[in-house]
Amino acid sequence: RKEVEQDPGPFNVPEGATVAFNCTYSNSASQSFFWYRQDCRKEPKLLMSVYSSGNEDGRFTAQLNRASQYISLLIRDSKLSDSATYLCVVITRDYKLSFGAGTTVTVRA
Amino acid sequence: GAGVSQSPSNKVTEKGKDVELRCDPISGHTALYWYRQSLGQGLEFLIYFQGNSAPDKSGLPSDRFSAERTGGSVSTLTIQRTQQEDSAVYLCASSLPRLAGGRSYNEQFFGPGTRLTVL
Repeated sequence: RKEVEQDPGPFNVPEGATVAFNCTYSNSASQSFFWYRQDCRKEPKLLMSVYSSGNEDGRFTAQLNRASQYISLLIRDSKLSDSATYLCVVITRDYKLSFGAGTTVTVRA
Repeated sequence: GAGVSQSPSNKVTEKGKDVELRCDPISGHTALYWYRQSLGQGLEFLIYFQGNSAPDKSGLPSDRFSAERTGGSVSTLTIQRTQQEDSAVYLCASSLPRLAGGRSYNEQFFGPGTRLTVL
């Protein structure tokens, strides 16, 4: 079983729609969680950290469910520029990172 | 400020040749990671350096792969006797893992990658 699993999508949504997707992780000792964004043929860049209490950054909301071992990302009022692959990242206490394979989101006009 | 840089940006080589990929991390970052990403795939962890600790080599796919980090800064990933399945984008990332306010921070800053093509 992979350490981090994501629905690859693609999620095709119209502008202005809300899209949400999850990422599950297998290591219960995982300590830190992040969402990264990767545009086509570009390097990944940090989108946001995920905190236990959940957190928002503008139109983006991240949630962590430790009991069920998943994190989620919700994008409200989708923009064309949100089209990208979203990578889930999980870090254990010894700072080892595991990346999910990514969820592709395509926002259409 | 300067980000993570990698060289070369593109490398085409013949099967069986050795290649060296270079990564210059952000100054002061103690952690350095190598990943590879095949077309349409997620990131595959290869190796991790943290300060003066022994590197975590658990992700290296075979003994043809090795990496060094000299002086806690620049890192070189070497692939010996390259095979066609080694073709991928090799990404380097650096970070400064730390605890603050009860939370751990380990934001990865990625370089632009080296696109390796083995013919």
